[in-house]
Amino acid sequence: QKEVEQNSGPLSVPEGAIASLNCTYSDRGSQSFFWYRQYSGKSPELIMFIYSNGDKEDGRFTAQLNKASQYVSLLIRDSQPSDSATYLCAVRLRAGSYQLTFGKGTKLSVIP
Amino acid sequence: KAGVTQTPRYLIKTRGQQVTLSCSPISGHRSVSWYQQTPGQGLQFLFEYFSETQRNKGNFPGRFSGRQFSNSRSEMNVSTLELGDSALYLCASSLEGRNYYEQYFGPGTRLTVT
Repeated sequence: QKEVEQNSGPLSVPEGAIASLNCTYSDRGSQSFFWYRQYSGKSPELIMFIYSNGDKEDGRFTAQLNKASQYVSLLIRDSQPSDSATYLCAVRLRAGSYQLTFGKGTKLSVIP
Repeated sequence: KAGVTQTPRYLIKTRGQQVTLSCSPISGHRSVSWYQQTPGQGLQFLFEYFSETQRNKGNFPGRFSGRQFSNSRSEMNVSTLELGDSALYLCASSLEGRNYYEQYFGPGTRLTVT
């Protein structure tokens, strides 16, 4: 069973703080890694993707990938109340396929 | 550029009926995937299409089927609906290309089976 694990939360952080979201995956052959944000009642929105070990920054978001330890994380700097949502970690397991395996998501609450 | 569109947005069906959901990918995107989202199971992969061919299928019963047309639009069908099929059905599209694997979701179709 290829699994993607996330802490369900809720994770509460004060406004302006750094929110750290973590995800582990079981399949060492996993190819690509994605973070989606999903507001209540809405569909998932792609916010970050990372394919190689290391860090990738985009604005207030940083994705970190460590394939040896099989984890991927998302840091949100200067957290805003509008960042309050469920964050889904997704993994593409197989070359030649776009199928994503999702974690159950971490609910983030940013407290004003 | 317009995003992924899905129709209808909401559906209420009775157990035993069948339903067809439609998805139009982002212009230029040729890969379409379908997912089911429920509170208990989260997001689960249904199937994936590219160039009118099903490339991959998830662990769902044969009542779930799909197809893709030459213009990349896709449909999925669920026959003999069960109460457990109530879910948000999401379509995602991707621009097929080397080192390009990002998928973008449509707004979803919320199906309620009574």
